[in-house]
Amino acid sequence: GAGVSQTPSNKVTEKGKYVELRCDPISGHTALYWYRQSLGQGPEFLIYFQGTGAADDSGLPNDRFFAVRPEGSVSTLKIQRTERGDSAVYLCASSSTGGFGEKLFFGSGTQLSVL
Amino acid sequence: AQTVTQSQPEMSVQEAETVTLSCTYDTSENNYYLFWYKQPPSRQMILVIRQEAYKQQNATENRFSVNFQKAAKSFSLKISDSQLGDTAMYFCAFMNTGSGTYKYIFGTGTRLKVLA
Repeated sequence: GAGVSQTPSNKVTEKGKYVELRCDPISGHTALYWYRQSLGQGPEFLIYFQGTGAADDSGLPNDRFFAVRPEGSVSTLKIQRTERGDSAVYLCASSSTGGFGEKLFFGSGTQLSVL
Repeated sequence: AQTVTQSQPEMSVQEAETVTLSCTYDTSENNYYLFWYKQPPSRQMILVIRQEAYKQQNATENRFSVNFQKAAKSFSLKISDSQLGDTAMYFCAFMNTGSGTYKYIFGTGTRLKVLA
C-alpha cells in the first residue's frame, strides 16, 4: 500500500482479555517500530524489528506484551490479560532500512480501550 | 539516559504570524539526529524537519526552520506565516547511536492552535 496501515483503528476490550493489533508497513521497508502513546504524552518506544527479527524489545513493559513479524512485512502486537493501564494509542512506524537519521512513516494508530 | 523536554504544553498563534516551539534534550552522545514531527487529529505523525548534530547550519523546510544550539542542547522550531492547517500536536524527537539501534525518543508534545 501507499502508507503504513494499522487495524483496527479502535479496539474496545474488557480487562483480562487478549488483543492483537496489526501493522502493515510500507512495502519494502525492512525496519518496523511499535510505539505506545498514552493520553497527553509523547510516543514511547516498545519494540523494533529489522526484517523478521526483534532487534530491540527493550521497551516492552512486561511479558504480557509480545510482537511478531514472521515474514518481514506485517507485524502483530499481542497483549495478553489486558489491564486498564494498557489503554493508549498504539502506533506503528516503518522506515526503509532503520538507518541512522532515517525518516519514520507512521500509521494512524490503534486506540485501545480496556474497560 | 537521554531525555527530551518540551516545556510548552499549549500555544496559539494568529494566522500568518510566526511562532516558535521550544525543545531541549539531554545526551552525552556527540552525534545524533533531532526531529520535529506533527500529529494532526488523524493521529498520523508526519515529519516536519530534521537536523543532524554534526551540521552547524540550521535546517529549513519551506515555512519551517529550526534554531539548533548544540552547546545549550536546544532545538526550537519556528513556523512562519502560520496556516490553519498547522494546527496539531508537535513532538520533538531525538535519535542517537549509543544503544546500537536507532530508536526515537519523543518529548511530551506542544499543542499548537492557529487562530483565524
